[in-house]
Amino acid sequence: DAGITQSPRHKVTETGTPVTLRCHQTENHRYMYWYRQDPGHGLRLIHYSYGVKDTDKGEVSDGYSVSRSKTEDFLLTLESATSSQTSVYFCAISKEQNTEAFFGQGTRLTVV
Amino acid sequence: GESVGLHLPTLSVQEGDNSIINCAYSNSASDYFIWYKQESGKGPQFIIDIRSNMDKRQGQRVTVLLNKTVKHLSLQIAATQPGDSAVYFCAVVNTGGFKTIFGAGTRLFVKA
Repeated sequence: DAGITQSPRHKVTETGTPVTLRCHQTENHRYMYWYRQDPGHGLRLIHYSYGVKDTDKGEVSDGYSVSRSKTEDFLLTLESATSSQTSVYFCAISKEQNTEAFFGQGTRLTVV
Repeated sequence: GESVGLHLPTLSVQEGDNSIINCAYSNSASDYFIWYKQESGKGPQFIIDIRSNMDKRQGQRVTVLLNKTVKHLSLQIAATQPGDSAVYFCAVVNTGGFKTIFGAGTRLFVKA
């Protein structure tokens, strides 16, 4: 894997609680992305970052926020987790926008 | 809206045979195409890409064909091996690189 670490790898949380997922890269790539993967939907973009403190929404951003205070770290926060946010979350990085991306191992989140 | 679809959700081939996985897209402004492989429990992994100024590109045991007239691309895997068993996604990027859309994936089973 291209120097991307996601943590935690698995998490179970209760409805209404805040949850933060972390993505850490050692490649110094400018672009970072958070996707969710659900059966039958492929990968859907939640938020992405094009630099430190520069972020933008993807197609399924409602209920999520992100922060990037350092080049290497991109955090995804579920402000108040709901059962519809049960999913597998992937972080990805790329040198240029929407080019070949390298993905982390994923975080399986279950909201009960 | 834009869509990226795969013709078959699953494909089963005999070890040693060639595999062909198809993908169709709807937006004629798409100009960059990527194939990813995802093994169970892992993140997607880049296989090969192609730009719209090409109609064929070859890698190691893989070939991507692009037909812009009918908005179709395919991934061909030569001499399929058990290690090729995975889910394969196509990703389509629109002009300017502002958006990447992933297909839902085709699961390839390789029979020994």
